[in-house]
Parts: sequence; structure tokens; C-alpha cells
Amino acid sequence: GAGVSQTPSNKVTEKGKYVELRCDPISGHTALYWYRQSLGQGPEFLIYFQGTGAADDSGLPNDRFFAVRPEGSVSTLKIQRTERGDSAVYLCASSRIAGVNEQFFGPGTRLTVL
Amino acid sequence: AQSVTQLGSHVSVSEGALVLLRCNYSSSVPPYLFWYVQYPNQGLQLLLKYTSAATLVKGINGFEAEFKKSETSFHLTKPSAHMSDAAEYFCAVSATNEKLTFGTGTRLTIIP
Repeated sequence: GAGVSQTPSNKVTEKGKYVELRCDPISGHTALYWYRQSLGQGPEFLIYFQGTGAADDSGLPNDRFFAVRPEGSVSTLKIQRTERGDSAVYLCASSRIAGVNEQFFGPGTRLTVL
Repeated sequence: AQSVTQLGSHVSVSEGALVLLRCNYSSSVPPYLFWYVQYPNQGLQLLLKYTSAATLVKGINGFEAEFKKSETSFHLTKPSAHMSDAAEYFCAVSATNEKLTFGTGTRLTIIP
């Protein structure tokens, strides 16, 4: 079966622009997670969804970052007024049930803000 | 709060030698502990996880890790390194098996 997919694989934007990053979880997985991995660092938790609702958004760095999962499947991470410091690889993961099953990671979206 | 420290950002071992990657954790509650591997241009893959069932955990590709509460450690080992083991390895901790807190990673190089 298909794994977690993320689009686009690479995104280059200019400072101040708005970007959307998409994550398609494994079919049937109810939990979806977003992480950010800066160069030379480990992944850093941003937010996770159980179904359609955000169960924990404590990792979102500020109000420029927002994520949705309206139908409990695909999720979009939205970043407004991008800054150079937002440049990183954004990772998505999904699990069958949050807190119970393994998180499967996608290949990530590399965001570069010029 | 949970945190992880990985000692050694780069480790090199000869093919066939023992692999030892170090991880120390801090957790206010009994932790879940994980090791993930990341190959170039690929997603993170779970190697093994500790969930309090047994202190010695066996994972994929011949890796294992031992949970030592007294030392707050969860070091990753493999008896004999293979060229295909070259990758970046991340240790992670969680209080609830949901939000994961990762270390900064250890890049493993295998010397032929």
C-alpha cells in the first residue's frame, strides 16, 4: 500500500509570501502529525490531529502557522508572511490510532524562503 | 517535559565492527523511547521502540537497544556493521506515544 505522501517535494518562495504544504496520510490512519526539521537538527513537533480536530498544537511557533484537516484525511500546513527562518524540511507522519500505533513518516517538503 | 541528548553527531565504524550510538533522555513520567533511521532523501523509519514491556528491545536490521532507567539511557547497538547501515539515526522520547521529541541525530559512517 501507499505510504505517507507530501506535496510539493520542494518549494521555493520569497519572504513575505504565503505557502501551503500538503500531506496525504496512509489510508485509514486517524492521527496525523506535522514536524519541522531544520538543517542539522532533529525533527521538531508542530501539531497533531486526531480525526479532524487538532489534539495538540503546542509546537506551532507563532500565529503565522496554521494547519487544517477538514475531512479527517488530507492535511494542509499553511504559513503566512513567510520568513527566512521558516526554511526547513516539513515532515508529516500518520498513525492508525494516536498514542497506540507507530508513526509512519513521509519524505518531507523542503521549504526555502529567499 | 521530555528531552533527548545524543552524544556524538558523527560516528564512524569499520564494516563488521560494533555499532554503538548513544542516547540519554529526560522525562518527568515513564517514557516511550524510539530510534528512527533516516536515509538520504527518504522519510524517517522506525527501527525500534521501548514501551515498558521489556528493557532489551530488538528492532529491524539487527539493531537493538537497552533501556536503563538508572542511567536514563537508551543506547542503540548492532554487533556487526554493514555498509547499508550508513545513515542518520535519531533517538526520540514521548510521554504519551503521541508528540515525539527528537535528539539532534547521529550520522553513522561505515568504513570499508
